[in-house]
Amino acid sequence: QKEVEQDPGPLSVPEGAIVSLNCTYSNSAFQYFMWYRQYSRKGPELLMYTYSSGNKEDGRFTAQVDKSSKYISLFIRDSQPSDSATYLCAMKGAGNNRKLIWGLGTSLAVNP
Amino acid sequence: DGGITQSPKYLFRKEGQNVTLSCEQNLNHDAMYWYRQDPGQGLRLIYYSQIVNDFQKGDIAEGYSVSREKKESFPLTVTSAQKNPTAFYLCASRPPTGGRADTQYFGPGTRLTVL
Repeated sequence: QKEVEQDPGPLSVPEGAIVSLNCTYSNSAFQYFMWYRQYSRKGPELLMYTYSSGNKEDGRFTAQVDKSSKYISLFIRDSQPSDSATYLCAMKGAGNNRKLIWGLGTSLAVNP
Repeated sequence: DGGITQSPKYLFRKEGQNVTLSCEQNLNHDAMYWYRQDPGQGLRLIYYSQIVNDFQKGDIAEGYSVSREKKESFPLTVTSAQKNPTAFYLCASRPPTGGRADTQYFGPGTRLTVL
């Protein structure tokens, strides 16, 4: 079993839909959770960063962490065609030298 | 204008040749990373360096080598020993301790194709 599981999709939604992207993990030591967005043939860019449990909102994006269920989510409201990309979750435990553990990424297409 | 640059953007290699991918950052970050990305396999860590003149193997280091002689530079050499080198290669760096010290910032990537 992988430490981080992420459905690769592809996920296709109409413009304006609410998108829910998810990752599950097995290591209860993970404390730092990130979502990256990667456009085709580009490097990933950090979208959301969350420490421990709870919600974090930034514009149309909301990140949720449920440590009791070992489950993290990224919600995109009012999705736009420009949101079409691959979304990768990443996480790590405490300690500055610990490596990031990555999900496989979910491919999202928002159709006009 | 701070950031991470990778060159070249596209690279073609004949079988049996070594090639070196460049990664430079002017963010004053100590830690730097090399990943390989293949369709359906996500990001896999090749090598990382926490500080100048020091580096460690990642999960798939066989057939690769690195050096870290300067803080700004972390070149990756893909050797002829790498059995399947065709992939998208990503370089990243991480801020020092404090704030978002866990996040990594990526360059634009180099697409290597073996002919």
